[in-house]
Amino acid sequence: QVHLVESGGGVVQPGKSLRLSCAASGFTFNTYAMHWVRQAPGKGLEWVAVISYDGNNKFYTDSVKGRFTISRDSSNVYLQMNSLRGEDTAVYYCAKDAQVYLYGNVDSWGQGTLVTVSS
Amino acid sequence: DIQMTQSPSTLSASVGDTVTITCRASQSISTWLAWYQQRPGKAPKLLISKASSLENGVPSRFSGSGSGTEFTLTISSLQPDDFASYYCQEYNSYPWTFGQGTKVEIK
Repeated sequence: QVHLVESGGGVVQPGKSLRLSCAASGFTFNTYAMHWVRQAPGKGLEWVAVISYDGNNKFYTDSVKGRFTISRDSSNVYLQMNSLRGEDTAVYYCAKDAQVYLYGNVDSWGQGTLVTVSS
Repeated sequence: DIQMTQSPSTLSASVGDTVTITCRASQSISTWLAWYQQRPGKAPKLLISKASSLENGVPSRFSGSGSGTEFTLTISSLQPDDFASYYCQEYNSYPWTFGQGTKVEIK
């Protein structure tokens, strides 16, 4: 059974940094791409970033390019968030891709971790 | 970037009703479309992938159709558990985009 557990959220001042972690288990982690998706309070879902199964390819939504970095190791995926802005306030979900070795839709989600950017 | 326009934003219905949610892509995405259900305070749940492929364990009253730029999610015989928010999402190319969401409320 797929299990994704995010951590690292909290309250941070504008301009500061935060690193989110996602611990994955229950599947062959190194064969799936992993994603981060966020949801601002009371708003819809926004895809943030993806990292390929081997860590060699990464894609970002335009609003976080140059500020956020996605990475992974043997069983975790991370999101390093720098130069944080108020509009980055959201619940951040870690999510597993549905396709082995390729890119597809997301089929499993963590419970989310809340990031609040405020002075 | 591909834009996804989802409608309606809110839908009021009764138990037993059949409801339809529409998603329109700004350019063709073939059938690279998924539908998710999200209950308040919970993570989204995948219902349908590849526009019409029902995920294991999802009740058959949920169905998806469409290709190219027009897609629909239909819920037949609405059940109390179905009152939630629904999102479409294209995965044709990065950056992925979601529709704005549809909240299905009890009439």
